[in-house]
Amino acid sequence: DTGVSQDPRHKITKRGQNVTFRCDPISEHNRLYWYRQTLGQGPEFLTYFQNEAQLEKSRLLSDRFSAERPKGSFSTLEIQRTEQGDSAMYLCASSTETNTEAFFGQGTRLTVV
Amino acid sequence: GESVGLHLPTLSVQEGDNSIINCAYSNSASDYFIWYKQESGKGPQFIIDIRSNMDKRQGQRVTVLLNKTVKHLSLQIAATQPGDSAVYFCAENTNDYKLSFGAGTTVTVRA
Repeated sequence: DTGVSQDPRHKITKRGQNVTFRCDPISEHNRLYWYRQTLGQGPEFLTYFQNEAQLEKSRLLSDRFSAERPKGSFSTLEIQRTEQGDSAMYLCASSTETNTEAFFGQGTRLTVV
Repeated sequence: GESVGLHLPTLSVQEGDNSIINCAYSNSASDYFIWYKQESGKGPQFIIDIRSNMDKRQGQRVTVLLNKTVKHLSLQIAATQPGDSAVYFCAENTNDYKLSFGAGTTVTVRA
């Protein structure tokens, strides 16, 4: 499978715990994006990497959220001290620099109890 | 604020009929639009895109129309099949990389 891969697919955590999600983009894609989607809504942009550089962070990304892409390949999204409002589907997407068509992964569904 | 939105949250269509899903956008500077299909529990899947220098683009069983005068986008699906049942999102590409999505239209295909 050469698509965007996300792990885990599902995560249930207790409020206050930290969680980390991983995204493996399509190998030749140098752009990587994180989006968040709540039930009944479209995805909302969180952050964007070009290679290893994080070039934009949405205001939705509070101080409890941090994303990295240390080698310009896979990326991680960490949420510290999770809150119930963090429950959502976290989507990762990737694209080349010249083709803005973004390919999405299957997402990680986070449930904070 | 500027946003992308869909006219109707749900659409029920008879199998074999054509479907039309509408989307209005407000950012007149947008130059690239994409339609995505999202099935339950899955990530959005690219269907078709269109740039602002075009008013129509066709794919396999799908056509996207862009009317820049009224800032309207539509997706036409020909001969709708049960596998077309999903949520459809239009998205506007802003700043060369950021996608702004509407709330989506849920399409249900009746047998």
